[in-house]
Amino acid sequence: EIVLTQSPGTLSLSPGERATLSCRASQSVTSNYLNWYHQKAGQAPSLLIYGASSRATGIPDRFSGSGSGTDFTLTISRLEPEDFGVYYCQQYGSSPYTFGGGTKLQI
Amino acid sequence: QVQLQESGPGLVKPSQTLSLLCTVSGVSVSRGDYYWTWIRHHPGKGLEWVGNVYYSARTYYNPSLESQVTISLDASKNQFSLKMTSVTAADTAIYYCAGESTRHYAMDVWGQGTTVTVSS
Repeated sequence: EIVLTQSPGTLSLSPGERATLSCRASQSVTSNYLNWYHQKAGQAPSLLIYGASSRATGIPDRFSGSGSGTDFTLTISRLEPEDFGVYYCQQYGSSPYTFGGGTKLQI
Repeated sequence: QVQLQESGPGLVKPSQTLSLLCTVSGVSVSRGDYYWTWIRHHPGKGLEWVGNVYYSARTYYNPSLESQVTISLDASKNQFSLKMTSVTAADTAIYYCAGESTRHYAMDVWGQGTTVTVSS
């Protein structure tokens, strides 16, 4: 199975700053089939980015995804207080679908 | 608006069968809009994809769990279910049902999650 490694494990930033989150795959992700999710404490994850770079419905343009092959990045251009929480990448290019271990974003 | 809601016992004894239901509203599970999915979140760890079922009843399972998991649809009740046999403490987790959109193959609708503890 494809192992996804996210870094850093924890990121401490202030509102207005830029956040860069990394997701590295143990082998190439087919057709860039990679998604990003955001999870706040006590809530289910919610979809941010699908297909490596497409924003989900209602997601503001301060969120952007990029990358291909084995290296993917989620960028939040200007942090808002509601952006805290844990961010997960997930690949669906090969079975089983797998998730990264998460990056905790502390505002 | 599509909504999902998990239900089931919060406590299961070791070696018994865990049974969860996900009730879907806003869309028929008999349409091909979603793969109906179960995901779990172990305490202090990441997310694990358990498996899914399509409207055709075709199922896909995580190979690490395939021997103990069954996911099925009940179109008459607009529900889908998870059965996991011979559970151990390692199956203690928050269980989420979710819909993986066939438009972009991402889980864009989730239930709130239900906590299942395996303990005697």
